Amino acid sequence: QVLLVESGGGVVQPGESLRLSCAASGFIFSSYGFHWVRQAPGKGLEWVAFVRYDGSSEYYADSLKGRITISRDNSKNRLYLQMSSLRLEDTAVYYCAKARSIWNGLAPGDWGQGTLVTVSS
Amino acid sequence: QSVLTQPPSVSAAPGQRVTISCSGGSSNIGNNFVSWYRQVPGTPPKLLIYDNNKRPSGIPDRFSGSKSGTSATLGINGLLTGDEADYHCGAWDSSLSAWVFGGGTKLTVL
Repeated sequence: QVLLVESGGGVVQPGESLRLSCAASGFIFSSYGFHWVRQAPGKGLEWVAFVRYDGSSEYYADSLKGRITISRDNSKNRLYLQMSSLRLEDTAVYYCAKARSIWNGLAPGDWGQGTLVTVSS
Repeated sequence: QSVLTQPPSVSAAPGQRVTISCSGGSSNIGNNFVSWYRQVPGTPPKLLIYDNNKRPSGIPDRFSGSKSGTSATLGINGLLTGDEADYHCGAWDSSLSAWVFGGGTKLTVL
């Protein structure tokens, strides 16, 4: 079955960088697009970024552009999110989510359990 | 401020039907598919409806989705106390080149 396991979260100070990782298994990783979605404590879902199945295109939330990079390694079945210049308001649970449909599907389907990023001085 | 607009909360009695609305615009709901997600606090979201009205395997037919113009609706029949959760709508926005979510709706089963 589909399994998505995020890692890399933790407590960081404002201005620091962090790289999140999502290990995928149970399906053909290279056939699906992937999202990162975050959720601040007590808040709704906020979309962060999307990368197409072949890595040919990346899309970012306007509010985060310039500070984040989504990438994937299809040889390792891994998705990444590089975050820099972290701010207090970046504190959230970060989820990776696999697109529901193969190839050019967009809708998030399966979700990981999330990794908590806490930005605190 | 979310691009898609949902009511913050809805409530209904067990056994009844409830609907949750999701309002957007021509660049998202109007011209793209809508998805719905159910989330119990402290757990990841779960896909309930995709492509406006399709249910993934394992989702009971008590859950339904519809779309008209720039609005979408999630319907839940035969409410159970276990349906209490937050419900989120989402769609691709072609103008933003971004996935957008609604602010979420908390369902209370009285």
